[in-house]
Amino acid sequence: QSVLTQPPSVSAAAGQTVTISCSGGTSNIGMNYVSWYQQLPRTAPKLLIYDNDMRPSGMPDRFSGSKSGTSATLVITGLQTGDEADYYCGTWDRSLSAVVFGGGTKLTVL
Amino acid sequence: QVQLVESGGGVVQPGRSLRLSCAASGFTFSSYAMYWVRQAPGKGLEWVAVISSNGVLSADGRNKQYADSVKGRFTISRDDSKNTLYLQMDSLRVEDTAAYYCAKDPTGQLPPEYLQHWGHGTLVIVSS
Repeated sequence: QSVLTQPPSVSAAAGQTVTISCSGGTSNIGMNYVSWYQQLPRTAPKLLIYDNDMRPSGMPDRFSGSKSGTSATLVITGLQTGDEADYYCGTWDRSLSAVVFGGGTKLTVL
Repeated sequence: QVQLVESGGGVVQPGRSLRLSCAASGFTFSSYAMYWVRQAPGKGLEWVAVISSNGVLSADGRNKQYADSVKGRFTISRDDSKNTLYLQMDSLRVEDTAAYYCAKDPTGQLPPEYLQHWGHGTLVIVSS
């Protein structure tokens, strides 16, 4: 059971927009920045979004993040087949003194 | 550019020990906090441990933090002279079977910020 809750899967057609939610609590998302990671099949995870809504250099602006209260959201616009991957949210939990991740969301592009 | 290369994985019997290494290059290793994260086959990401840059302590005086699942069995350490991060894993269990990734934080402090760069991982299989 993950501390952060994500939907196990989402799907949308190519060219469409998809949102992935990440729900936590006051000791984690409510108090700290959220980051998002993309894991393409059979590869290592990669940083996608940091500090709630910041993109690393070179990351397309089709990927955006936001946070409100104890929840965060990843939005991917103009879906491409190459976006098929697992997506994880993460943050620091001050009560647990631990890095916590969501359980991951598998994105399928139809 | 930043490179993180893990090594030391393999097949080990339950109860035995294994030491993983992560060779870092492309940045000033001593200045950054470093993580270990694992992923069991077909499962999600699980944070294992984090260590601050040398000499940097958190507000509660720590320079290392561990997941409850490995506390007392695993030890994270670093050798800044060799630009290498380590994970000493003792009393291994079947449930420790996973790909182990090292990762770099954008700062040297604890609590950490986020996992900015990741290695490609090394596979540990605990089996009799």
